[in-house]
Amino acid sequence: KAGVTQTPRYLIKTRGQQVTLSCSPISGHRSVSWYQQTPGQGLQFLFEYFSETQRNKGNFPGRFSGRQFSNSRSEMNVSTLELGDSALYLCASSEGQGARSYGYTFGSGTRLTVV
Amino acid sequence: GEDVEQSLFLSVREGDSSVINCTYTDSSSTYLYWYKQEPGAGLQLLTYIFSNMDMKQDQRLTVLLNKKDKHLSLRIADTQTGDSAIYFCAVSASKIIFGSGTRLSIRP
Repeated sequence: KAGVTQTPRYLIKTRGQQVTLSCSPISGHRSVSWYQQTPGQGLQFLFEYFSETQRNKGNFPGRFSGRQFSNSRSEMNVSTLELGDSALYLCASSEGQGARSYGYTFGSGTRLTVV
Repeated sequence: GEDVEQSLFLSVREGDSSVINCTYTDSSSTYLYWYKQEPGAGLQLLTYIFSNMDMKQDQRLTVLLNKKDKHLSLRIADTQTGDSAIYFCAVSASKIIFGSGTRLSIRP
């Protein structure tokens, strides 16, 4: 069974630009969650999608958005990039909603650097 | 709010046991998890425990849960150099909340 696939692995963007990250969950998994990982803040929850609906959202500004498609693939978008958005963005999938599951399977992440 | 706390560093001698501790605030957490992150990689689920259990053992890993004190621990027996990583405690609430991670280093 293929794991969670995140693309691209690395990305360098300029302040003010926007970026779209992609996540393909494990086949059969309907829940996709996104986390931002930074050395200072640790793992911060961004949002969770289940069956194409956003089920939960973290405390991030509206510049951070996401969506999920009918095949469970998910994208997250960050507009008007700031230097502080530099981070490892992790996608995780599970069969059911994350908080009621046996745990997530994580992708390897997308390392975003904003210059 | 929901919070999960871990110490940042732990150093143990190869062959000894490692014990990583975690405290959490949300008593309604149903599942509690331990994840491992190696350099340049995502998080790997090591084990989980239901909130109605006190202990779970899986080969070299032992998870202890004290619900009264909201304390979770992970014991790694016979610690090896390959166990060097960051270990994250996580609890399920309305979403899964992660601790800040404990960096485990192994001394020869």
